[in-house]
Amino acid sequence: KQEVTQIPAALSVPEGENLVLNCSFTDSAIYNLQWFRQDPGKGLTSLLLIQSSQREQTSGRLNASLDKSSGRSTLYIAASQPGDSATYLCAVHPGAGSYQLTFGKGTKLSVIP
Amino acid sequence: NAGVTQTPKFRVLKTGQSMTLLCAQDMNHEYMYWYRQDPGMGLRLIHYSVGEGTTAKGEVPDGYNVSRLKKQNFLLGLESAAPSQTSVYFCASSPRTGIGELFFGEGSRLTVL
Repeated sequence: KQEVTQIPAALSVPEGENLVLNCSFTDSAIYNLQWFRQDPGKGLTSLLLIQSSQREQTSGRLNASLDKSSGRSTLYIAASQPGDSATYLCAVHPGAGSYQLTFGKGTKLSVIP
Repeated sequence: NAGVTQTPKFRVLKTGQSMTLLCAQDMNHEYMYWYRQDPGMGLRLIHYSVGEGTTAKGEVPDGYNVSRLKKQNFLLGLESAAPSQTSVYFCASSPRTGIGELFFGEGSRLTVL
């Protein structure tokens, strides 16, 4: 059974720092991996989706990388801002024939002004 | 741009009562999902639908029923609510599973007393 782990569970950084969030998964046979952001009391917003054949995806100050063989993905946030404070979740999709993503429990990020 | 809309946003039930959560999406997506999010458990798939008139069980389907009579709507029903069903429920949709992004609603917070 696929397991997705995000460490640390919480992270606090001063504004302006570059930071890396980690996501690891136990089964490397994934179809894609998504990073989401969740604000308190809100739903999840998709940030980046990486297909299994890709190594990284970029959107603005965000860069996500994927290393299938080692079962790891990282989300790099450059020049962090207080508005980046949220919980970040990753989810892996097992591939064709399955509709069940496996989610990590998230990393709660606080960016201190 | 409404996206995915869930109603109601909050509800308090007594044990044994029934209710229906409504999810509506205006993006013409084929796939729709119901998740629950609990502290320490992450997001878990309850039921999903791959198109109008179809439904299937996810990871935690017991105690819930669903219907997808129209492509844009996905209903989640609780026939006899139990305290263990106290949770935040999220609806999501995607144009194609395994490839596309997931789009989430803002959630419905249900408390069963």
